[in-house]
Amino acid sequence: EVQLVESGGALVQPGGSLRVSCAASGFTFSDHYMEWVRQSPGKGLEWVGRIKNKANSDTTEYAASVKGRFAISRDDSKNSLYLQMNSLRTEDTAVYYCSRGPRNDYGVGLDVWGQGTVVTVSS
Amino acid sequence: SSELTQDPAVSVALGQTVRITCQGDSLRSYYASWYQQKPGQAPVLVIYGRNNRPSGIPDRFSGSSSGITASLTITGAQADDEAVYYCNSRDTSGDPYVFGAGTQVTVL
Repeated sequence: EVQLVESGGALVQPGGSLRVSCAASGFTFSDHYMEWVRQSPGKGLEWVGRIKNKANSDTTEYAASVKGRFAISRDDSKNSLYLQMNSLRTEDTAVYYCSRGPRNDYGVGLDVWGQGTVVTVSS
Repeated sequence: SSELTQDPAVSVALGQTVRITCQGDSLRSYYASWYQQKPGQAPVLVIYGRNNRPSGIPDRFSGSSSGITASLTITGAQADDEAVYYCNSRDTSGDPYVFGAGTQVTVL
């Protein structure tokens, strides 16, 4: 079964750091771009960023709202995706979803999603 | 920055057809993807590319695009289709990718 499972969500103080993880199974993780999407309470979806596959140099892209504060990485040997979040703000409070992207720049759509992990930034 | 604009809400009678639209300059150059999200659940991809459905998505869901407008059509809406639908596409002047604000579909 194709599956993504996020973990690591927590309550963090403003200015703090947190790393959330996503464990993939049931597919060839290394073939795919992987993406993070978040959803603040009662709000819509917000694209956070993506990491391409090794064939595309593991290139990362970020939303302007998190660029310079968040970093996405992957460990293909562990079928795992990570989101390192620094300098957290109250507006970063959200459910963070890990999702499977395409295999190349010509593909579209996030076809597999995890159940999400909750990050709360509050003093 | 560029954005994708969706109507906040639409309603449809059971068994009838509803079209949900998404407008944005980037849609002249890039296809939209469409996601269904029910309360308390993760989003589900329903349409991607020109008009492609992932495995398991009913064929009552279809997509189209013209100019700056992408559309998701549900033909013969069912009670189970009640959800928020989001479009998503590349952005041409802001963030690499962007989601629309979502359209709440109510099946009457």
